Amino acid sequence: NAGVTQTPKFQVLKTGQSMTLQCAQDMNHNSMYWYRQDPGMGLRLIYYSASEGTTDKGEVPNGYNVSRLNKREFSLRLESAAPSQTSVYFCASSEEWWAGDGNEQFFGPGTRLTVL
Amino acid sequence: DQQVKQNSPSLSVQEGRISILNCDYTNSMFDYFLWYKKYPAEGPTFLISISSIKDKNEDGRFTVFLNKSAKHLSLHIVPSQPGDSAVYFCAATVNAGGTSYGKLTFGQGTILTVHP
Repeated sequence: NAGVTQTPKFQVLKTGQSMTLQCAQDMNHNSMYWYRQDPGMGLRLIYYSASEGTTDKGEVPNGYNVSRLNKREFSLRLESAAPSQTSVYFCASSEEWWAGDGNEQFFGPGTRLTVL
Repeated sequence: DQQVKQNSPSLSVQEGRISILNCDYTNSMFDYFLWYKKYPAEGPTFLISISSIKDKNEDGRFTVFLNKSAKHLSLHIVPSQPGDSAVYFCAATVNAGGTSYGKLTFGQGTILTVHP
């Protein structure tokens, strides 16, 4: 039982390049989330998928797209990377979309992205 | 605007003593609060939560207190251990109305160092 896995762990891009961050969970969770963490800012929600087949914008969606490929996988795409997207990206999942006792979000180990 | 704030970037305590981490929020709609712990190069892990209908929740060495009138919550760790050294994030969400979809708003984090 690996929990939430993310690939790659590290990535360096040049401005304007594109890439896709992959996330998979093996806990049969319905809801999945993408966050970014920047120094002094905490974690901010980029996009989320409350259930398979649905996606919606979070707090900072500009410059990103997502795909909920199936119940297990939720990918984040940067179409044209910018230096402002240099960050650590975390994927998370929870059994259901509501926040409550026994339904906490489980996080992956993160992807450290640098855009030059 | 930062709706959840952790005003102390760091805290240093001696092993065996109490650690108190603080968190303030501005959005009066928040009704569910969580604390996450994060070690370097890992994703955040859930620690403890509290609903706004309570003012205290305990789990072993960890206790969270909620003061709704002051819009303030705190995490007490007693006794503190060197393995507790990590970054602690508080987070908040709105459960009532069923429209939050589990979206969490995080504070900036507090680095706790517990000295042997």
